[in-house]
Amino acid sequence: SQQGEEDPQALSIQEGENATMNCSYKTSINNLQWYRQNSGRGLVHLILIRSNEREKHSGRLRVTLDTSKKSSSLLITASRAADTASYFCATARRGSNYKLTFGKGTLLTVNP
Amino acid sequence: EAGVVQSPRYKIIEKKQPVAFWCNPISGHNTLYWYLQNLGQGPELLIRYENEEAVDDSQLPKDRFSAERLKGVDSTLKIQPAELGDSAVYLCASSSSLESQETQYFGPGTRLLVL
Repeated sequence: SQQGEEDPQALSIQEGENATMNCSYKTSINNLQWYRQNSGRGLVHLILIRSNEREKHSGRLRVTLDTSKKSSSLLITASRAADTASYFCATARRGSNYKLTFGKGTLLTVNP
Repeated sequence: EAGVVQSPRYKIIEKKQPVAFWCNPISGHNTLYWYLQNLGQGPELLIRYENEEAVDDSQLPKDRFSAERLKGVDSTLKIQPAELGDSAVYLCASSSSLESQETQYFGPGTRLLVL
């Protein structure tokens, strides 16, 4: 079963705009991760946030985690056409760093 | 540093035929994963290896799927016989105990089409 559920399923924006994607989950977690998948390629790890962290930054990425609401958001600032991809959240349940459960993903399209 | 290597990248077979996928993880990564990704879905874990031992194969359909990781490095995932519903992308990933296994590094995947 899908642990993470991303919202929205699809998002289309113009280059330079910010993109926000959300992820909700159901069980207690050790960490939550975001991955990117370009068409026809494997997943690339973007950022990891642990259950005791609330916010994390990496370049143009900003991730927040609210464990009380069991939700996370990924913000991509100043988007570029190259950011066009599917974005997945994945959760590692408490007690296990190994078993990642992925959501269905958000398809982001950045128009030039 | 070379990433996770998978081959073939694409495979088209007829139903009931066997098929095998190969994965070479990042050098030094002791944990290897096989995932199945259906169209429009996120990856789902099939099997996880710690070195040469399969420590989690609860999601592997053992009637037709098998996997091995001889010598704790490369791994092969096999389907015999393949069914139409097996059409999907098969992803291999690896991780390292030096990073607390937190980050998994994925290969490009093998896209299987069963006709």
